[in-house]
Amino acid sequence: DAKTTQPPSMDCAEGRAANLPCNHSTISGNEYVYWYRQIHSQGPQYIIHGLKNNETNEMASLIITEDRKSSTLILPHATLRDTAVYYCIVRVANTDKLIFGTGTRLQVFP
Amino acid sequence: NAGVTQTPKFRILKIGQSMTLQCTQDMNHNYMYWYRQDPGMGLKLIYYSVGAGITDKGEVPNGYNVSRSTTEDFPLRLELAAPSQTSVYFCASSTGLAETQYFGPGTRLLVL
Repeated sequence: DAKTTQPPSMDCAEGRAANLPCNHSTISGNEYVYWYRQIHSQGPQYIIHGLKNNETNEMASLIITEDRKSSTLILPHATLRDTAVYYCIVRVANTDKLIFGTGTRLQVFP
Repeated sequence: NAGVTQTPKFRILKIGQSMTLQCTQDMNHNYMYWYRQDPGMGLKLIYYSVGAGITDKGEVPNGYNVSRSTTEDFPLRLELAAPSQTSVYFCASSTGLAETQYFGPGTRLLVL
């Protein structure tokens, strides 16, 4: 199983870009990188996922390094409602299981 | 669509009691999952199902049982509640392998 490493916490000013890093140095070639977030006491919410190429959707952008050993989730204009725990997850190859770590607690301040 | 719904929202159990946590999804997803989340920790997979009649163990299955008689429902059973099972339980579903998982609002369980 590929493991991920994330900083335990980060701060970001409202309106600025939030860049959340994730290391996954043992990722296999057919494993995807997923990002979920969990706003206090709620169920996790899917944000974005990718394999090799950078991805963008209405919520965020995902930048994956060429060697795929790390990635960055970018929230382009953070709002107070983006305060949450963000989980970087590498999907276990050939299964549908998601293994959650402890994530990064992002605090957006006014 | 209501998505994934869970009942109850909160429950207090005495040690040794049993209960069933209900999970229902109306998205016709084949895959369903049960996770638990202890305070300050990430989610851990308890059991999952790839379709009606098929279930399999996750990381932390001990003390729990599941069944999947229909596509919509995936109940989680605690037979002999223990304080170590105090946690928040999340149910999720997805269309298939590697697809996005959609989570319910969670059930907060306290065992005293």
